Amino acid sequence: SYELTQPPSVSVSPGQTAKITCSGDALTKQYGYWFQQKPGQAPVQLIYKDNERPSGIPERFSASSSGTTGTLTISGVQAEDEADYYCQSADISGTHWLFGGGTKLTVL
Amino acid sequence: QVQLVESGGGLVKPGGSLRLSCAASGFTFSDYYMSWIRQAPGKGLEWVSYISSSGNIIYYADSVKGRFTISRDNAKNTLFLQTNSLRAEDTAVYYCARGYYDSSGFNYWGQGTLVTVSS
Repeated sequence: SYELTQPPSVSVSPGQTAKITCSGDALTKQYGYWFQQKPGQAPVQLIYKDNERPSGIPERFSASSSGTTGTLTISGVQAEDEADYYCQSADISGTHWLFGGGTKLTVL
Repeated sequence: QVQLVESGGGLVKPGGSLRLSCAASGFTFSDYYMSWIRQAPGKGLEWVSYISSSGNIIYYADSVKGRFTISRDNAKNTLFLQTNSLRAEDTAVYYCARGYYDSSGFNYWGQGTLVTVSS
């Protein structure tokens, strides 16, 4: 079965750049998506179709994909960016959707 | 504006059932596919089920197949999830999310409804 693997945690100082990776065979065949979730809130889509940003999402959020790895980059991290981040894709048949285990971003 | 409002969660005993609803507004519901996605307390997101815009294509996660049934009423702009034979491991916040057929993904989510399975 397909799985998406993320680091459990990433720490960064304010103003620095945070990179969160997502690895899985599914990413070679299907688009990758990224979500931000703050405590007690529903997830918010940050990235779709590997590297597209929905309207209203700050430009400091960007993403790329190469082979089996997708990467979410947060440039100039702000305190408000402290949250859980999830990658998401689908299996090769497009009949099951997958989420990574999530990465807790801590802003030091 | 787009709104998805879940309801129907609550406390249920193992083996019991609940019917979750997701009321949609602010967009043409019948144009979008919908999914249920859940999150156990302190855990990550888990996709549960998908239904196409017309309701004729349905998929389930292996963990709920045979126990949960997804459906929709496009006339009433409402998505449903009938959950049967509930287990402790089904305890979670259940979110509904919409998607469009342009690969834009789950771009709107509801605030979720909590299902607690406990004796």
